[in-house]
Amino acid sequence: GAGVSQSPSNKVTEKGKDVELRCDPISGHTALYWYRQSLGQGLEFLIYFQGNSAPDKSGLPSDRFSAERTGGSVSTLTIQRTQQEDSAVYLCASSTAYQETQYFGPGTRLLVL
Amino acid sequence: AQSVTQLDSQVPVFEEAPVELRCNYSSSVSVYLFWYVQYPNQGLQLLLKYLSGSTLVESINGFEAEFNKSQTSFHLRKPSVHISDTAEYFCAVSEGGSNYKLTFGKGTLLTVNP
Repeated sequence: GAGVSQSPSNKVTEKGKDVELRCDPISGHTALYWYRQSLGQGLEFLIYFQGNSAPDKSGLPSDRFSAERTGGSVSTLTIQRTQQEDSAVYLCASSTAYQETQYFGPGTRLLVL
Repeated sequence: AQSVTQLDSQVPVFEEAPVELRCNYSSSVSVYLFWYVQYPNQGLQLLLKYLSGSTLVESINGFEAEFNKSQTSFHLRKPSVHISDTAEYFCAVSEGGSNYKLTFGKGTLLTVNP
């Protein structure tokens, strides 16, 4: 079956603009995760969804970052008033509720000019 | 809080040589351990994982890793590497029973030269 998909694959934006990143998890996976991969920080956990609720938002770096998930499927990560330090690859992963393996999407490469 | 240390940021080796990529972790509770691989211009793929049971786990392409609780390590090994193994390798840990948050190491870039 299809894997995790993310869109757009690349996004270039100007400092101060808002961006939305989309993740389509594997069908039937109830858990969804967002990570950020940047040169300086490596791979960092951002947020986790179980169904439509987010029990753990501890990794979101500031209140400019938010995420939602609707219908237990698609998730959107929104970054408001982007800053240059937000430039990174944003990765989404999904897993079944009680399975340990997270399957990753190809990522969205964000560049803030 | 859990953490992961990958001691080598880059490991260059010649084709058909053995390789070991080192990974140490710290956690106050039981853990699940993972190795993910990222080939050039591709996404993260699970290579192998340790959840419980046998401490030696293997992947389909010849890699193996051994969980050593006393040394808090999960080193990745392959007896003979190929050019196609060139990639970045990430060690990750999650707290057993609540795997939702993976903590990754900084990654090790394995470069296999002819």
